[in-house]
Amino acid sequence: NAGVTQTPKFRILKIGQSMTLQCTQDMNHNYMYWYRQDPGMGLKLIYYSVGAGITDKGEVPNGYNVSRSTTEDFPLRLELAAPSQTSVYFCASSYSTGQEIRSYEQYFGPGTRLTVT
Amino acid sequence: KNEVEQSPQNLTAQEGEFITINCSYSVGISALHWLQQHPGGGIVSLFMLSSGKKKHGRLIATINIQEKHSSLHITASHPRDSAVYICAVRSEGYSGGGADGLTFGKGTHLIIQP
Repeated sequence: NAGVTQTPKFRILKIGQSMTLQCTQDMNHNYMYWYRQDPGMGLKLIYYSVGAGITDKGEVPNGYNVSRSTTEDFPLRLELAAPSQTSVYFCASSYSTGQEIRSYEQYFGPGTRLTVT
Repeated sequence: KNEVEQSPQNLTAQEGEFITINCSYSVGISALHWLQQHPGGGIVSLFMLSSGKKKHGRLIATINIQEKHSSLHITASHPRDSAVYICAVRSEGYSGGGADGLTFGKGTHLIIQP
């Protein structure tokens, strides 16, 4: 299994440009997440999905959009990139039956380092 | 909202030393995670626990629910243990089955010198 893969690894965007960060997992996990990590700060949840066709906002969703058309893929779209979106982005996945409130172990992708200038 | 504090922020130690990293949180939780972020940036889940103690190789994680505190210990530390260690908690009563309710600490940057 490849686990969670992300592309690209690095990207430089100009202000106002758009791009899509790709995330794929091959573990048949139902939950997928997008986080951003800023220097000296804890990971912040941007969006998450509990299954194909279902997405929801996390703590910092503004400026981003997601879709989940398949179990495997969870792309993150940046529209009108801004310098405040300069960050490292991590995709993660986990499995949960939803029958209990405890969360399950997360598997992280390698990250995408994005710079907006 | 749960507040997660880790200490120390930075720790440099010599190879072989016993390492302790602490995590405190402000609100009752249903689960606590310890994660390791390698110098290259990749993040790996080390432990998930809701009570007691877990051990994996040279790593031990403990949690005291009453004191709202968890510790991560590394025995016989080695330079390859150099990484950022992150604590994350899921607040008690948070509905939903996944990890969407996690609050992350800022991490402890550990350097083990040969």
